Amino acid sequence: SQTIHQWPATLVQPVGSPLSLECTVEGTSNPNLYWYRQAAGRGLQLLFYSVGIGQISSEVPQNLSASRPQDRQFILSSKKLLLSDSGFYLCAWKSGRVNTGELFFGEGSRLTVL
Amino acid sequence: DAKTTQPPSMDCAEGRAANLPCNHSTISGNEYVYWYRQIHSQGPQYIIHGLKNNETNEMASLIITEDRKSSTLILPHATLRDTAVYYCIVRFHGSGNTGKLIFGQGTTLQVKP
Repeated sequence: SQTIHQWPATLVQPVGSPLSLECTVEGTSNPNLYWYRQAAGRGLQLLFYSVGIGQISSEVPQNLSASRPQDRQFILSSKKLLLSDSGFYLCAWKSGRVNTGELFFGEGSRLTVL
Repeated sequence: DAKTTQPPSMDCAEGRAANLPCNHSTISGNEYVYWYRQIHSQGPQYIIHGLKNNETNEMASLIITEDRKSSTLILPHATLRDTAVYYCIVRFHGSGNTGKLIFGQGTTLQVKP
């Protein structure tokens, strides 16, 4: 069966520090991968998605970047965090073979920037 | 993808059916209606999806009007654990689609004892 893992689950970082959130999927190949963010009291915002290794699409201009160095690995990064980067970050995957199909979400990473 | 409109909040008594409405009047022919829910501090969970026929699974039923401009998600016997934010999303299924979901504000369903 397929599983998705995100880490770390929680982190507190100072303003100006770097960030790296990692997401891996097991039990499938060539998935579509997604990063979402949910700020406190707000809805889910799609940040990035990827349909293959090295292929990254950005949905909104921001202080963050994403990379997909391996088929089932998706990384969210920042060189210098801002206060506004605080939020709940969710990674998700979907089978890349079919147009239909649901998105499966990880458990999330809660980032607090101080 | 077409825009959806949902009421911001609803209450439901435990054990009763919860009927969550969604308007998607600009939906096009190859767009499906998806429902997800998000329990506090967790990732969203898929519930059900459909094109034009009514659908049912172990979690819920989805009723889509004949003109496809609106739909209703039905939780037949709501429990306290169904308290969550419910998202109605319209997604294109044609070639070249990336599978991405664009979430709106959803409906916060509060199930009360």
